[in-house]
Amino acid sequence: AQSVTQLGSHVSVSEGALVLLRCNYSSSVPPYLFWYVQYPNQGLQLLLKYTSAATLVKGINGFEAEFKKSETSFHLTKPSAHMSDAAEYFCAVSGAGGTSYGKLTFGQGTILTVHP
Amino acid sequence: DAGVIQSPRHEVTEMGQEVTLRCKPISGHDYLFWYRQTMMRGLELLIYFNNNVPIDDSGMPEDRFSAKMPNASFSTLKIQPSEPRDSAVYFCASSFWEQETQYFGPGTRLLVL
Repeated sequence: AQSVTQLGSHVSVSEGALVLLRCNYSSSVPPYLFWYVQYPNQGLQLLLKYTSAATLVKGINGFEAEFKKSETSFHLTKPSAHMSDAAEYFCAVSGAGGTSYGKLTFGQGTILTVHP
Repeated sequence: DAGVIQSPRHEVTEMGQEVTLRCKPISGHDYLFWYRQTMMRGLELLIYFNNNVPIDDSGMPEDRFSAKMPNASFSTLKIQPSEPRDSAVYFCASSFWEQETQYFGPGTRLLVL
């Protein structure tokens, strides 16, 4: 079984400030972890993914995330927020192989608002 | 590549009518997923296919929902009869087994009156 908890359904930051979106997971097998972004009235787009290689993963648009097994966390960060980062962000987990292969479990999402 | 294609993008129907949503996955992808997104329940996996074969349909809410994948380039999700609580955005996604990344279509926004 696997699950994802995103802490904070809404996060608000000022333009230029640090963005931190929190994600904790549980998985009975070594996980693959993902962050997706959804802009209004659009589908989900992959930001980055962790698949058991380097624990610090860099993605698109300046985002990165660090896999911390001891904390079962995969928090998403960006040093300086831009107005265009305003969107909803989803953390997701899938099992690495076996019967969980390919089956993503999503968190509830975090809406990021960026103020001028 | 054109990405995952879904049709229609918007559908408004009356309770009791049959609704068919369509999806064309990215060419070469061997996994196809159907999701439903609502404010109350978030993103839910309904069913997924591997090489056109349904692997897990445990997320399909009721017998009113059915999905097929007759070939590698086409899938349908059917709701018969539709109910107002089926109103949601339905996403199709596809992936290639080696990459694990799912690519999402733009979604179909369904409103059942």
